[in-house]
Amino acid sequence: QSVLTQPPSVSAAPGQKVTISCSGSSSNIGNNYVSWYQQFPGTAPKLLIYDNNKRPSGIPDRFSGSKSGTSATLGITGLQTGDEADYYCGTWDSSLSAVVFGGGTKLTVL
Amino acid sequence: EVQLVESGGGLVKPGGSLRLSCAASGFTFSSSGMNWVRQAPGKGLEWVSSISGSSIYIYYADSVKGRFTISRDNAKNSLYLQMNSLRAEDTAVYYCAKSSSSIWFDPWGQGTLVTVSS
Repeated sequence: QSVLTQPPSVSAAPGQKVTISCSGSSSNIGNNYVSWYQQFPGTAPKLLIYDNNKRPSGIPDRFSGSKSGTSATLGITGLQTGDEADYYCGTWDSSLSAVVFGGGTKLTVL
Repeated sequence: EVQLVESGGGLVKPGGSLRLSCAASGFTFSSSGMNWVRQAPGKGLEWVSSISGSSIYIYYADSVKGRFTISRDNAKNSLYLQMNSLRAEDTAVYYCAKSSSSIWFDPWGQGTLVTVSS
């Protein structure tokens, strides 16, 4: 059972938009920055979003992040088949003194 | 180019020990927080441990506390994870990752597989 809750899977058609939610509490998302990672099978995770809504260089602006209260959201527009991957949210939990990740969301582009 | 390369994984019997290493290059290692994150086969990411640049701050997940020890050698630009009393549930790919002050991880190494089995 992960501290951060993500939907196990989401799907959408190519060209459409999808959002992935990440729900937590005041001890983690509510008072700390959220980051998002993309992982393809057999490869290491890659940073997509940091500090809630910032994109590292090289990440297309089709990817966006937002945070409200104790929840965060990853948005992906103009979906491409190459976006099919697992997506994870992560943050610091001040009560646990630990980094926490969501359970991951598998994106399928139909 | 910022790069992290893990090594030291392998097959070990339950109750055994293993030491993972992570060689860093392309950034000021001594100023950077470093971390171990693992992923069991078919499962999600699980944070294992973090260490600050000066080794003053060290944190562990409850699942490994008392069994695993994180350390670093800034002269060698290397991060380590000493794993003792290994259990079957420690079987995973172990990644090292550089962290920022606001706890985002970038980059990640390619991972090293640890298999605990008799």
